[in-house]
Amino acid sequence: AQTVTQSQPEMSVQEAETVTLSCTYDTSESDYYLFWYKQPPSRQMILVIRQEAYKQQNATENRFSVNFQKAAKSFSLKISDSQLGDAAMYFCAYRSGSAASKLTFGTGTRLQVTL
Amino acid sequence: GAVVSQHPSWVICKSGTSVKIECRSLDFQATTMFWYRQFPKQSLMLMATSNEGSKATYEQGVEKDKFLINHASLTLSTLTVTSAHPEDSSFYICSARGHRGQPQHFGDGTRLSIL
Repeated sequence: AQTVTQSQPEMSVQEAETVTLSCTYDTSESDYYLFWYKQPPSRQMILVIRQEAYKQQNATENRFSVNFQKAAKSFSLKISDSQLGDAAMYFCAYRSGSAASKLTFGTGTRLQVTL
Repeated sequence: GAVVSQHPSWVICKSGTSVKIECRSLDFQATTMFWYRQFPKQSLMLMATSNEGSKATYEQGVEKDKFLINHASLTLSTLTVTSAHPEDSSFYICSARGHRGQPQHFGDGTRLSIL
């Protein structure tokens, strides 16, 4: 079974600074997808960024980018120019490439953004 | 972007009542829908996966008779918590996905409180 590990329960970053959230996963599959979801206090799950395993290029969405290291099974999220609105729980998630696949979530990292 | 609507957002009811939660994909056809439960400060726990027109696949430890899931159309899935008791109080979130390879999009969740 696939597992997703987020080793940082809490992180803090100053506004305008950069922070990196860690995520590692374990799988024997070659076809899969990786995601980062954001859950603010409203508890809505918001897709931040996704990465297809077959793509070598790291995904980027505005201030959010990932460092995808397939051999190391690492998928970290970098948030640049942090804003107060970035404060939230961040969940890393894995999904197999098979048709009936489901998301496997990590335990989450709570990000605080300070002035 | 893809929108998933979940209702109600908050429900309080007496012990022994059955509660129905609806999950609708508003602008895409949801081939697969997922139901999660989330306890405070914890990650999302998958309860079941449903494909349109098929019986739901429940995760281990989830009572099928307690949590009834119906996915009658490509845009609607319902979760009915039957004879709810205080221990069923939780935050329930649905998500929907179109075709394979597409990301899951989440509803805003339902806070269920059983008195």
